[in-house]
Amino acid sequence: AQKITQTQPGMFVQEKEAVTLDCTYDTSDPSYGLFWYKQPSSGEMIFLIYQGSYDQQNATEGRYSLNFQKARKSANLVISASQLGDSAMYFCAMREAASGGSYIPTFGRGTSLIVHP
Amino acid sequence: ETGVTQSPTHLIKTRGQQVTLRCSSQSGHNTVSWYQQALGQGPQFIFQYYREEENGRGNFPPRFSGLQFPNYSSELNVNALELDDSALYLCASSSRGLSSYNSPLHFGNGTRLTVT
Repeated sequence: AQKITQTQPGMFVQEKEAVTLDCTYDTSDPSYGLFWYKQPSSGEMIFLIYQGSYDQQNATEGRYSLNFQKARKSANLVISASQLGDSAMYFCAMREAASGGSYIPTFGRGTSLIVHP
Repeated sequence: ETGVTQSPTHLIKTRGQQVTLRCSSQSGHNTVSWYQQALGQGPQFIFQYYREEENGRGNFPPRFSGLQFPNYSSELNVNALELDDSALYLCASSSRGLSSYNSPLHFGNGTRLTVT
């Protein structure tokens, strides 16, 4: 089974509008972290936002917020007031416990976001 | 603050050859991990190094190996290259390693390897 599922291969949004990128995850570990990264065409992965499994409040970082629904195992990224520079690939990732006490990161297949002027 | 840097940016090799990719971690970070990102896919974890020792490994064969140096920089070595090894190889550093689930990874721009 996929650990991280991103069901939207591509999304389009008008500049200045909000957009939600979906992410569902699968784990039986009570302790885990959820992350979103942005990958422009240059290739670098840029950390956007983090949500811990025990966090009661949804994480926010500027125009980014994470809609964390633990019972549904979803961690959707919301980008408010989209900008042209937001056009990129977006990856959802999870760190959960593996053997030996380490937390191996697993990434989804990504969603391509295109912001139209 | 110096970010993560990787070299070279692009590389073309022939099947069966060996390749070494290099990574300098962000200042203050003692942990380096490597990822393979095939076209159209998300990054896949190869392994991590903490204090010069391998500390966590993904589902990759032994011909993928690495080193970490005292200054926390790292190398990824791939022997007996196969066509399927063609990918973007990303290096990431962090300050707390894989023993913590809440430390974000800071990535370099990657090395694009093409195997012909």
